[in-house]
Amino acid sequence: AQKVTQAQTEISVVEKEDVTLDCVYETRDTTYYLFWYKQPPSGELVFLIRRNSFDEQNEISGRYSWNFQKSTSSFNFTITASQVVDSAVYFCALSEMEPLVFGKGTRLSVIA
Amino acid sequence: DTGVSQDPRHKITKRGQNVTFRCDPISEHNRLYWYRQTLGQGPEFLTYFQNEAQLEKSRLLSDRFSAERPKGSFSTLEIQRTEQGDSAMYLCASSLNAHIQYFGAGTRLSVL
Repeated sequence: AQKVTQAQTEISVVEKEDVTLDCVYETRDTTYYLFWYKQPPSGELVFLIRRNSFDEQNEISGRYSWNFQKSTSSFNFTITASQVVDSAVYFCALSEMEPLVFGKGTRLSVIA
Repeated sequence: DTGVSQDPRHKITKRGQNVTFRCDPISEHNRLYWYRQTLGQGPEFLTYFQNEAQLEKSRLLSDRFSAERPKGSFSTLEIQRTEQGDSAMYLCASSLNAHIQYFGAGTRLSVL
C-alpha cells in the first residue's frame, strides 16, 4: 500500500529563516514518482517538482531545494531565506501508477 | 495558455439536492482527474479519465457520485442526494498522458 507521511502539521518561521519540510513515503514498487505541490490560500494546487525513483540527485531551483533519499524513504523540501509569499500549505505526493497519493500537508507561516 | 478551469468556485446546497460541477482541462491534455479535499487533509483520488474513457474509480466514489467526460474534453461530476459529509473541496487536474498533473482552483461544496 502507498502512504505519504508529513509529520509536521504546522511550521512558523520568521522571514529570511531557512525551513525544511519533511516527507516520508511507503511503497512496494521500485518505480514511482514523488511530487511536491504548494496550496496558497486561493486553493489552487501549484506543482513544484517531480522526481522519479531512479534519480536520487538533489535538486535546487532558486530558493527551493529537494533532498531525495531512498534509503530512508524520504523526500524533504527546503526553502532558503523564506519570504512571506512562501506562506501556504505544502503537500508531498506519491504516484506508482496513476492517481496521486497525498500526505496531509504542512502549513507554513512566514512572519515578517 | 489557460490552465485547468473549474465551475462553479463555490456551491451551497441543501441536503438531498443534486449538484453538478464542471472541469475544463488544459486543451491538449488527454487525462483528467477528480480529487476531493476535506479540511486539514490532502486531496484524495476519486476517479480519472483518459480521453472519454473512465479508467479508474476510487472506493470513495459511492453510487451517488457519477463523472463523465463525453467528448474527451470537459468533464462533469454529479453528486445526487447530497449529504453533509459531501461538503469538501472538489479538485480537478489534467495531464498529458501520465505526466505532471496540473490542478484547477477547485469547487468548494457546502451542504446545509
